[in-house]
Amino acid sequence: KQEVTQIPAALSVPEGENLVLNCSFTDSAIYNLQWFRQDPGKGLTSLLLIQSSQREQTSGRLNASLDKSSGRSTLYIAASQPGDSATYLCAVPSGHSGGYQKVTFGTGTKLQVIP
Amino acid sequence: DAGITQSPRHKVTETGTPVTLRCHQTENHRYMYWYRQDPGHGLRLIHYSYGVKDTDKGEVSDGYSVSRSKTEDFLLTLESATSSQTSVYFCAIKNAGGNPYEQYFGPGTRLTVT
Repeated sequence: KQEVTQIPAALSVPEGENLVLNCSFTDSAIYNLQWFRQDPGKGLTSLLLIQSSQREQTSGRLNASLDKSSGRSTLYIAASQPGDSATYLCAVPSGHSGGYQKVTFGTGTKLQVIP
Repeated sequence: DAGITQSPRHKVTETGTPVTLRCHQTENHRYMYWYRQDPGHGLRLIHYSYGVKDTDKGEVSDGYSVSRSKTEDFLLTLESATSSQTSVYFCAIKNAGGNPYEQYFGPGTRLTVT
């Protein structure tokens, strides 16, 4: 059974700092890994998706990396801003490719960026 | 915006009453999912659908049933609500946009069972 862990559970940083969020998974036979952002009382917003054949994916100030062999992914946020404050979740499919994919989510890292 | 709406957005109900939550999509996607989100547990899959009248159980399906009579609607029913089903429920669809592996989520329904 796939298990996904995110450490730390909460993180508080001053504005402008670069930071790294961590995601670990137990079964390295994955097809992809997805990072989401969730604002309080809202749904999830997809940030980045990394295919198993990729090592990195970038979008603006965000960079996600994937190391399947070690069962780890990181989300790097450059020059953090107060608007980045949210909970960040990673998710890993835990089934076959295609529509039958069941997805295992981590419990998230709650980020607070202090002005 | 992947064209997903959920209704109602908030509901308070009493133990033992039936409750139906609706997920509606406008993009004609084949795959739809129902999750619940609880503190300390993250998101957990309740049921999913891979086509009209094609559904399957997720990891926390006890006490829930689903139906999908048309592509755009995926209904989640709590036959007899219990306090343990107090949660935030999210619907998701798959294959919105250009990437076939991404899931897109609705805004959620906050359900309180008293």
